[in-house]
Amino acid sequence: NAGVTQTPKFRILKIGQSMTLQCAQDMNHNYMYWYRQDPGMGLKLIYYSVGAGITDKGEVPNGYNVSRSTTEDFPLRLELAAPSQTSVYFCASSYVGELFFGEGSRLTVL
Amino acid sequence: DQQVKQNSPSLSVQEGRISILNCDYTNSMFDYFLWYKKYPAEGPTFLISISSIKDKNEDGRFTVFLNKSAKHLSLHIVPSQPGDSAVYFCAASSITGANSKLTFGKGITLSVRP
Repeated sequence: NAGVTQTPKFRILKIGQSMTLQCAQDMNHNYMYWYRQDPGMGLKLIYYSVGAGITDKGEVPNGYNVSRSTTEDFPLRLELAAPSQTSVYFCASSYVGELFFGEGSRLTVL
Repeated sequence: DQQVKQNSPSLSVQEGRISILNCDYTNSMFDYFLWYKKYPAEGPTFLISISSIKDKNEDGRFTVFLNKSAKHLSLHIVPSQPGDSAVYFCAASSITGANSKLTFGKGITLSVRP
């Protein structure tokens, strides 16, 4: 029962570096999402996808890019890491309604 | 502008008593509401949901009440157990929309004292 798998779980980046957070789901869900959670805050939607080949911006997309070449995978790309991107990132997937979340990726930008 | 508000950041209750977690929303297009529970270093997990055609949904010790006219919902946990200590997020969506992306509140930290 893998569900939603995120890698890496932890990462420290220097300002200006780039990286990709990986997300994979094995539930054949059409919808996939990337959220970030800052301390004391709720989850903010970064990007989402309603199916392979289709992505759209969420509430806080600046500084990020996504792609959805397959139903299973939804990677999140940070091109030029900034301290403001220090956060915990959650990937999620759904069929309709309830979202299933991964365990999160804690990213620190120094 | 917060569309989903959880105004109390924390709640502490005695084991065996009732926990009542509140949530308010401002977007009248929301018609589906969920509660998620989150332990430290884990992703949120779904707890219970309610659609706007109902005013109550019950699942074991957990009951969610929806007051559409007040744009208010609450989660009741009876009886509360120490394992219920976690952060609880209220979330809302327009299920009739093209996708089911959720808008989350800031969360309430529940502590259940033994």
